[in-house]
Amino acid sequence: QQPVQSPQAVILREGEDAVINCSSSKALYSVHWYRQKHGEAPVFLMILLKGGEQKGHEKISASFNEKKQQSSLYLTASQLSYSGTYFCGTLGSSNTGKLIFGQGTTLQVKP
Amino acid sequence: SAVISQKPSRDICQRGTSLTIQCQVDSQVTMMFWYRQQPGQSLTLIATANQGSEATYESGFVIDKFPISRPNLTFSTLTVSNMSPEDSSIYLCSSRRANTEAFFGQGTRLTVV
Repeated sequence: QQPVQSPQAVILREGEDAVINCSSSKALYSVHWYRQKHGEAPVFLMILLKGGEQKGHEKISASFNEKKQQSSLYLTASQLSYSGTYFCGTLGSSNTGKLIFGQGTTLQVKP
Repeated sequence: SAVISQKPSRDICQRGTSLTIQCQVDSQVTMMFWYRQQPGQSLTLIATANQGSEATYESGFVIDKFPISRPNLTFSTLTVSNMSPEDSSIYLCSSRRANTEAFFGQGTRLTVV
């Protein structure tokens, strides 16, 4: 089952903050976040594992509510380079399973 | 980290023909996957490439149309068979180890005419 992301699109000015949400109807083992720029491969941002462990870039923050099967990605003091499409990917009961991606959230940061 | 080399990067093919996409990872990985991405859309999982055995396909994808091989831990191929214009898309190879992030190849942009 594909996770659901919201919002679908966000337009920001430099320095503003944004939150992107990811929700699943199934129990999750972990949530991944990636950013993809046009014509490029997705790039890893963050992993949030069941039990509270997180791995990712220092300037990126995210949360994972295991009970609600939801995750949020927090983008603070946005820069022009933050523009792109953000995807959450979810893993079900097994950490060796397949990663299923949400429909994506397009973020545009303007000067 | 892992570096994935995927080729070809793009191709224009005639309908009815087949194209094989190659994916090489620079280190041994547990899992390899193939995704399809339509322009402006999300990544749709085609199948999990299993080493030495048949791939595991997602709903809507079949082996006759998308045969996959994975002869060892670092190499996989995806063939798009009997192509039609509807197969025009970007195909992405991905690899991952347990509890780590996924890495992606640069993608193969396929146009079927």
